[in-house]
Amino acid sequence: GAVVSQHPSWVICKSGTSVKIECRSLDFQATTMFWYRQFPKQSLMLMATSNEGSKATYEQGVEKDKFLINHASLTLSTLTVTSAHPEDSSFYICSARQGAHGGETQYFGPGTRLLVL
Amino acid sequence: AQSVTQLGSHVSVSEGALVLLRCNYSSSVPPYLFWYVQYPNQGLQLLLKYTSAATLVKGINGFEAEFKKSETSFHLTKPSAHMSDAAEYFCAVRGDTGANSKLTFGKGITLSVRP
Repeated sequence: GAVVSQHPSWVICKSGTSVKIECRSLDFQATTMFWYRQFPKQSLMLMATSNEGSKATYEQGVEKDKFLINHASLTLSTLTVTSAHPEDSSFYICSARQGAHGGETQYFGPGTRLLVL
Repeated sequence: AQSVTQLGSHVSVSEGALVLLRCNYSSSVPPYLFWYVQYPNQGLQLLLKYTSAATLVKGINGFEAEFKKSETSFHLTKPSAHMSDAAEYFCAVRGDTGANSKLTFGKGITLSVRP
């Protein structure tokens, strides 16, 4: 199957700093990428959908100024957590969509664990 | 609107026993259905998907699922559990296509495999 990578796999930062997470589709081009957040023992919560070359669409309740998403190319999307606080600590997972016309499949990255101290 | 129901949060089976993880969906249009597996501290891996072709879908690692429209179900099965199958399993539905289509996930089921 298609491969999606994320970097870094884990990060620890001080409160108030910003953290950037990269998501890459390694062997396919993805016009659409997704960012999810997952709390322990819970399902994935969609944060935003990003389409290459356009602004991201955020889900209700997600602060767009807090979670900056850039999808500058067909293989790269970045999530920047600005002025991170302890409550932002979580497991962040990106996903890239492959295919079109009903055959689309989402492939997921390995996740990034963020700990804000 | 679309939704997924995965009843129960935990299933425990003995090694070699049948695995059955239940998933029911709701969708206003013909759905696309997926099962993903998540191992600890990892992302999600696609097990299999239903996209309106054959109703019995075979996936990786010996898993399969059957789409039953009359029951709005897409249960995941494996004839013989292996210790390495212990993980979190998510069922997901996508009820439309195109640039704005999104996956909706169930809350997940933890599968434990006893020796």
